[in-house]
Amino acid sequence: DAGITQSPRHKVTETGTPVTLRCHQTENHRYMYWYRQDPGHGLRLIHYSYGVKDTDKGEVSDGYSVSRSKTEDFLLTLESATSSQTSVYFCAISGSGYNEQFFGPGTRLTVL
Amino acid sequence: ILNVEQSPQSLHVQEGDSTNFTCSFPSSNFYALHWYRWETAKSPEALFVMTLNGDEKKKGRISATLNTKEGYSYLYIKGSQPEDSATYLCAFSNSGNTPLVFGKGTRLSVIA
Repeated sequence: DAGITQSPRHKVTETGTPVTLRCHQTENHRYMYWYRQDPGHGLRLIHYSYGVKDTDKGEVSDGYSVSRSKTEDFLLTLESATSSQTSVYFCAISGSGYNEQFFGPGTRLTVL
Repeated sequence: ILNVEQSPQSLHVQEGDSTNFTCSFPSSNFYALHWYRWETAKSPEALFVMTLNGDEKKKGRISATLNTKEGYSYLYIKGSQPEDSATYLCAFSNSGNTPLVFGKGTRLSVIA
């Protein structure tokens, strides 16, 4: 299994509070991604990174920011959480080649 | 915006039945097509990466074919078992350094 972890695995928070999710990899892969999983939508890309300090927006980036100060860590921040951001968040990594992605275990976030 | 369509959305089959489902993707600028298996409450796991027109891949009872000229891939499961119950995702890429575009998946339920 690819060495990829996410923390926390579960979080309950209140509307308006900031939340940061962490993705950590031990594979030294260049690319890292944040997705959210919602019924009827499958996986939707929030942001991705193609190197340290290099990030770009995905399909559903509004309300989210990211940072990557080290190869191994990719942080997803909800500046002011809303109930519509209740979801399961998956981090993924990929290296060279055909961009095969390996997924982390997911973080279940509930915003009350 | 690249569009990846999967059909059917969901499928119920009896144990022992063989089944197949479809992934449609843009036929221009093809780079790779990925299939993932996603069990409930787990994270997606890679099944196949397909890169050449006419490719056929096989893993146990699961196989996939690829037609890049017409923009489709089929996933086949022979003799379905209850443990095959999962969502099957396909993902398309048009280059090695852009994120995968995922379909919404086909949810397979195999009834014993």
